[in-house]
Amino acid sequence: QKEVEQDPGPLSVPEGAIVSLNCTYSNSAFQYFMWYRQYSRKGPELLMYTYSSGNKEDGRFTAQVDKSSKYISLFIRDSQPSDSATYLCAMSALLQGAQKLVFGQGTRLTINP
Amino acid sequence: GAVVSQHPSWVICKSGTSVKIECRSLDFQATTMFWYRQFPKQSLMLMATSNEGSKATYEQGVEKDKFLINHASLTLSTLTVTSAHPEDSSFYICSAIGQRAYEQYFGPGTRLTVT
Repeated sequence: QKEVEQDPGPLSVPEGAIVSLNCTYSNSAFQYFMWYRQYSRKGPELLMYTYSSGNKEDGRFTAQVDKSSKYISLFIRDSQPSDSATYLCAMSALLQGAQKLVFGQGTRLTINP
Repeated sequence: GAVVSQHPSWVICKSGTSVKIECRSLDFQATTMFWYRQFPKQSLMLMATSNEGSKATYEQGVEKDKFLINHASLTLSTLTVTSAHPEDSSFYICSAIGQRAYEQYFGPGTRLTVT
């Protein structure tokens, strides 16, 4: 079993739709939870991070963490074609003396105009 | 703020040659940098953790003699792929830790093609 599981998609939705992206994890040591956006042939860009259960909102993006269920989500409201990218969840834990990130597989998202 | 650059962005080399990739934190000092490898349509796999002034820590299965990492200053880490082979062709991405230990900022990546 992978430490972080993420549905790779691809996911295709019409413009304006609400998008829900999800990850599950197995390691209780994970302390911080991030969502990155990666455009083709580019490095990942940090979208949001959180460290406690609950919701965190930033514009059209909402990150949700449920530590009891080991489940995190990213919601995108009023999705735009420019949101088309691969979204990676990542979780951070102190491993071997350093804060390391463990990534999900990434979900390829396409927003159709 | 928190900009990380990589150079080159794309390199093609012949089998058996060595290639050096630079990773720089442009507007902050990074005591710790990470090197990742990403194959097409796959996620990022951590290769090694690079600490300024000390030896890099490699993940299991990564050949430290093949992937040489040097973190010579607080703003520069280099990855040298020695005696490159076609199977080393991949997208190499570095990251640096920002002000908060859990925040990693990624470079734009370097696409290596070994012919």
